Amino acid sequence: QVQLQESGPGLVKPSETLSLTCTVSGGSISSYYWSWIRQPAGKGLEWIGRIYTSGSTNYNPSLKSRVTMSVDTSKNQFSLKLSSVTAADTAVYYCARDRAYSSGSLDYWGQGTLVTVSS
Amino acid sequence: EIVLTQSPGTLSLSPGERATLSCRASQSVSSSYLAWYQQKPGQAPRLLIYGASSRATGIPDRFSGSGSGTDFTLTISRLEPEDFAVYYCQQYGSSPPVQTERYTFGQGTKLEIK
Repeated sequence: QVQLQESGPGLVKPSETLSLTCTVSGGSISSYYWSWIRQPAGKGLEWIGRIYTSGSTNYNPSLKSRVTMSVDTSKNQFSLKLSSVTAADTAVYYCARDRAYSSGSLDYWGQGTLVTVSS
Repeated sequence: EIVLTQSPGTLSLSPGERATLSCRASQSVSSSYLAWYQQKPGQAPRLLIYGASSRATGIPDRFSGSGSGTDFTLTISRLEPEDFAVYYCQQYGSSPPVQTERYTFGQGTKLEIK
């Protein structure tokens, strides 16, 4: 059973960079796409972007200028950086396995981690 | 960008009843790339349906999906107490003006106990 776990600071100051890592266990990270999704409190889901294990990325156009994703296959991890954060970036951030080209869906999700942007 | 509109916003039903949730897309969506998720408070979304009508692993057969083009439906045949949650539809694809492949989600339908 594939499991994902997000980790990173729960508090980030405005204008700084949010950094999160997702660790995958119970299976290899290789040959899959991996996505990040966020959800502000009481609101809906927003896809941030995805990375393939080759390092190829797709980002949501609305966030593209501030997002960087990377992957470390040796550690079975992938990461998210979101720069110049504001209070609007406060949300629960999820990582998920991305099966876009086989089922058009996100089949395994991490439990999520709350990131608050505040001084 | 394709916009998914879910209705109703809130659905109040009793256990044992049938639930019908709607997802309408602003332009045609490939059925292969339409999915439904269930989310309970404090939990991550759980994949229920992919490809518009295929149940994900371990999902009970009381959950079914249907539809094509711009109109899709999630049906729960007989509600169990654990089914009361928020449900999201999701599509994957590219659309103008920026032809970037992306996921978009509906705003969610809250299924509550009557």
